[in-house]
Amino acid sequence: EAQVTQNPRYLITVTGKKLTVTCSQNMNHEYMSWYRQDPGLGLRQIYYSMNVEVTDKGDVPEGYKVSRKEKRNFPLILESPSPNQTSLYFCASSSSSRHNSPLHFGNGTRLTVT
Amino acid sequence: AQSVSQHNHHVILSEAASLELGCNYSYGGTVNLFWYVQYPGQHLQLLLKYFSGDPLVKGIKGFEAEFIKSKFSFNLRKPSVQWSDTAEYFCAVNAPSGGYQKVTFGTGTKLQVIP
Repeated sequence: EAQVTQNPRYLITVTGKKLTVTCSQNMNHEYMSWYRQDPGLGLRQIYYSMNVEVTDKGDVPEGYKVSRKEKRNFPLILESPSPNQTSLYFCASSSSSRHNSPLHFGNGTRLTVT
Repeated sequence: AQSVSQHNHHVILSEAASLELGCNYSYGGTVNLFWYVQYPGQHLQLLLKYFSGDPLVKGIKGFEAEFIKSKFSFNLRKPSVQWSDTAEYFCAVNAPSGGYQKVTFGTGTKLQVIP
């Protein structure tokens, strides 16, 4: 089954404790992206990747890191999480970096930083 | 930079009522437009998309949207809503940005359908 898989689904952590949210897609998609969803703000792009070893900042990259060493994986790293990073996070992928490809979303990761 | 406005933040309808959710975007060039739906506790799923051609596009579950270029709008419609349509709806614009894909989402509209 074609899908985008994120783990974990729920995560509670403390300020400053490094964490990684994994994202993997099995559709051989070139483009991958991370979003955070906050009430009243919709989805905001954190980072995106056009292909292996090619990543760039989205609209809200501060406090986050990503890597794209393999085509299928695009982990999101929070080196020193803070409470303002409490949010619902979605990974998404699409078949190409062209602007007519719809996004396929993972099931989301609800992160709470205390 | 492109932006997307969804005017209705929360809509409450009775079953069988007609639905229209507004979406306006700002971008001067060619865009591709999408509506995504997020059912409670789930991820976003594609509802419908517009790339070119007929400005009236039909999606899944009886939804349709009309692209009006002169108004920079892409409103979502459904003639008769069902309780199962209760969800959050996001309009999205996908436009070239430095040669790559830049997707901008609206802030979403929560639809509550009362049986």
